[in-house]
Amino acid sequence: GAGVSQSPRYKVAKRGQDVALRCDPISGHVSLFWYQQALGQGPEFLTYFQNEAQLDKSGLPSDRFFAERPEGSVSTLKIQRTQQEDSAVYLCASSQLGQSVYGYTFGSGTRLTVV
Amino acid sequence: GDSVTQMEGPVTLSEEAFLTINCTYTATGYPSLFWYVQYPGEGLQLLLKATKADDKGSNKGFEATYRKETTSFHLEKGSVQVSDSAVYFCALTTGAQKLVFGQGTRLTINP
Repeated sequence: GAGVSQSPRYKVAKRGQDVALRCDPISGHVSLFWYQQALGQGPEFLTYFQNEAQLDKSGLPSDRFFAERPEGSVSTLKIQRTQQEDSAVYLCASSQLGQSVYGYTFGSGTRLTVV
Repeated sequence: GDSVTQMEGPVTLSEEAFLTINCTYTATGYPSLFWYVQYPGEGLQLLLKATKADDKGSNKGFEATYRKETTSFHLEKGSVQVSDSAVYFCALTTGAQKLVFGQGTRLTINP
């Protein structure tokens, strides 16, 4: 596609519920990133994929967070047993291999509200 | 670790005023530097970038110069418009691929 597509755009979850957030990167973009943006803050890195390989997951806040990209294209960020502190906008971004120094393309994000 | 510090907002200016948003960084390696912009209801968009010292990034009338000696990358625009109202994020990346962002500066331009 022309841009990075994320779905759903908005998600309301009850505390304790599991959620899955989807990211469709730009076709041909090898690198894929997930970021978490709390209200009024800058995005914070969660995890990075190169093709299907998860090369860095140092930003995942707990073992309730899990990301996958099984075929090197679409990625899913899963949050188990959601907590109120998980409420944030989850951003996906992609870039061509080795081109991150030139900036990424971000999706519009999924706003997760845990009630 | 790497970090970015931005001028605290919010910033409110009148149309045609001069804009400066300060950004300083700390990095273990030799970073590339970015300004991203987030318009209301939209995703992050790359505004400009600089990949080495003394480079000047520019776009849409905005400019920022990579100053290694002061570890700064201040954003400037000579004459702002109402349509520039948005949240601006300074960011860096090193060889680790991931972006490190500042906390953002909300800019409001009044007609």
